[in-house]
Amino acid sequence: SQTIHQWPATLVQPVGSPLSLECTVEGTSNPNLYWYRQAAGRGLQLLFYSVGIGQISSEVPQNLSASRPQDRQFILSSKKLLLSDSGFYLCAWISRERYNEQFFGPGTRLTVL
Amino acid sequence: GQQVMQIPQYQHVQEGEDFTTYCNSSTTLSNIQWYKQRPGGHPVFLIQLVKSGEVKKQKRLTFQFGEAKKNSSLHITATQTTDVGTYFCAAERTTDSWGKLQFGAGTQVVVTP
Repeated sequence: SQTIHQWPATLVQPVGSPLSLECTVEGTSNPNLYWYRQAAGRGLQLLFYSVGIGQISSEVPQNLSASRPQDRQFILSSKKLLLSDSGFYLCAWISRERYNEQFFGPGTRLTVL
Repeated sequence: GQQVMQIPQYQHVQEGEDFTTYCNSSTTLSNIQWYKQRPGGHPVFLIQLVKSGEVKKQKRLTFQFGEAKKNSSLHITATQTTDVGTYFCAAERTTDSWGKLQFGAGTQVVVTP
């Protein structure tokens, strides 16, 4: 069966510090991968998506970047965090064979102080 | 760009009562999905609707896709405390969207015993 991991689960970082969040998927190959951000009490905003290794598309201009160094690894980064980067970051994937539901990871709750 | 509007934003329900949450788009949708996010958790896929006028049921949950494929609804009968959470609709506008979903802002459901 497929599983998706995210770490860390929670993170408190000062403004101006760097960020690296990691997402890995097991039990599937060549998935589409997605990064979302959810502000407190709000909906999900799609940040990046990737259809393959090294292929990243950005949905909104922002202070963040993404990379996909391996088929089942998706990384969200920032060189200098802003207060507005606080939120709940969710990684998700879909199977190309079952192109309907998205499977979400447990998320990383980021607080920038 | 495409907007998916979801109402109401909050829903307080007495245990045993019914309620409905609605999802509307100004553009025709290729399909619509519904997710449930428990407090502190991540979104979990409930269902996908594809056909015009489609109705699907999952126990006490009834999902409907409008005839024009521009709106959808989720109706829950005999609400239970386990129904607490936020319900999101999510739309994939075209079939070549690479699985990119536009999420509604969600309906946060609180159930009082």
